[in-house]
Amino acid sequence: DAKTTQPPSMDCAEGRAANLPCNHSTISGNEYVYWYRQIHSQGPQYIIHGLKNNETNEMASLIITEDRKSSTLILPHATLRDTAVYYCIVRSINAGKSTFGDGTTLTVKP
Amino acid sequence: GAVVSQHPSWVICKSGTSVKIECRSLDFQATTMFWYRQFPKQSLMLMATSNEGSKATYEQGVEKDKFLINHASLTLSTLTVTSAHPEDSSFYICSARDSTGGHQPQHFGDGTRLSIL
Repeated sequence: DAKTTQPPSMDCAEGRAANLPCNHSTISGNEYVYWYRQIHSQGPQYIIHGLKNNETNEMASLIITEDRKSSTLILPHATLRDTAVYYCIVRSINAGKSTFGDGTTLTVKP
Repeated sequence: GAVVSQHPSWVICKSGTSVKIECRSLDFQATTMFWYRQFPKQSLMLMATSNEGSKATYEQGVEKDKFLINHASLTLSTLTVTSAHPEDSSFYICSARDSTGGHQPQHFGDGTRLSIL
């Protein structure tokens, strides 16, 4: 599976949009981009995933560039409860496992 | 939907004992489940992939005789840490993916914090 690169940390003001970038320049055509987050001392929570089209659900939006080499997770109105480590993972439908990198620690500040 | 239940949430036991952790998919069937371990301030490290009705696939460096995995049904996988020692103390997390497969995401349990005295 392709490796991903994320900034180690980001801050965001409460109520503002949080934009979390992920670089996956070696992504293959059959690999999806998945986003999870882990709040302290809990298991990771699935947020959203996509292949090449932008996706939106009740939690977030996922913007994937046309060349698919990078993506951005957008939390439209960040709250203090969104403070967590966010992981971007690339996985093919044929691969069973997901490999976690170091993620981005997002701190939402009042 | 897509709930994964993990039990127990935390356990403290003496060195040398064996500890069993259960992982259940509550509202979907999971042909494949995954076991991760996480040390403080580190990312999740995949230990093994558990396949229903067959032997688990262990990642390099993970002792299969130390970490016994059983996946006897489509909704239950267990991880047994045998003869646990203090260095096995960690946060163990399971995940499962819907058997419909394809690009379905993994869903995670809330983890088990294991402390070996």
